[in-house]
Amino acid sequence: AQTVTQSQPEMSVQEAETVTLSCTYDTSESNYYLFWYKQPPSRQMILVIRQEAYKQQNATENRFSVNFQKAAKSFSLKISDSQLGDTAMYFCAFMTPAYGQNFVFGPGTRLSVLP
Amino acid sequence: DAGVIQSPRHEVTEMGQEVTLRCKPISGHDYLFWYRQTMMRGLELLIYFNNNVPIDDSGMPEDRFSAKMPNASFSTLKIQPSEPRDSAVYFCASSLRTSGGVGSYEQYFGPGTRLTVT
Repeated sequence: AQTVTQSQPEMSVQEAETVTLSCTYDTSESNYYLFWYKQPPSRQMILVIRQEAYKQQNATENRFSVNFQKAAKSFSLKISDSQLGDTAMYFCAFMTPAYGQNFVFGPGTRLSVLP
Repeated sequence: DAGVIQSPRHEVTEMGQEVTLRCKPISGHDYLFWYRQTMMRGLELLIYFNNNVPIDDSGMPEDRFSAKMPNASFSTLKIQPSEPRDSAVYFCASSLRTSGGVGSYEQYFGPGTRLTVT
């Protein structure tokens, strides 16, 4: 079975500081994709960043970057210069084309950015 | 692009009533997904379609749930009869897999429908 684990149910960070959210996954496949989604209080699910397993280079999107450790099956999200608008639930998701288009989501990490 | 559109945004109904949730995917997308989100179970995939054809409905909880996609721009999720345990936020998402099989796989979510069954 493919699973996604987010071991930090809640985190907080001061505005302008950096925070890292953890995600680990389990799969026997070699071709897969990883995603981080953000869900603010509005409940809209917003794609933050994606990573292809075959790419060694870590993905970055402005203040968001990932640390992808394939051997360790780890996919952490780093948020730099945290802003109040980053307050949200963050979901790590995993998808293997061999298993169809299904996303497997982790349980989420609730991040609070404090002024 | 308007994004994925869902209606209604909120639905309150009594146990036993029929509920229909609606979704319009992003134009040109060929995959459509229905998810349910609850505090206890998180995000669960209910069913997904490819080119209007249901591919995997293993997540549909029971026969009370049904989903259709009569055309590329419209899908419905129906619950009949509804029960209090169906109370949740229901999301629709769509994605595009480009021709040749290479695609980005990102799913774009609608705003969700908050369903409350009393």
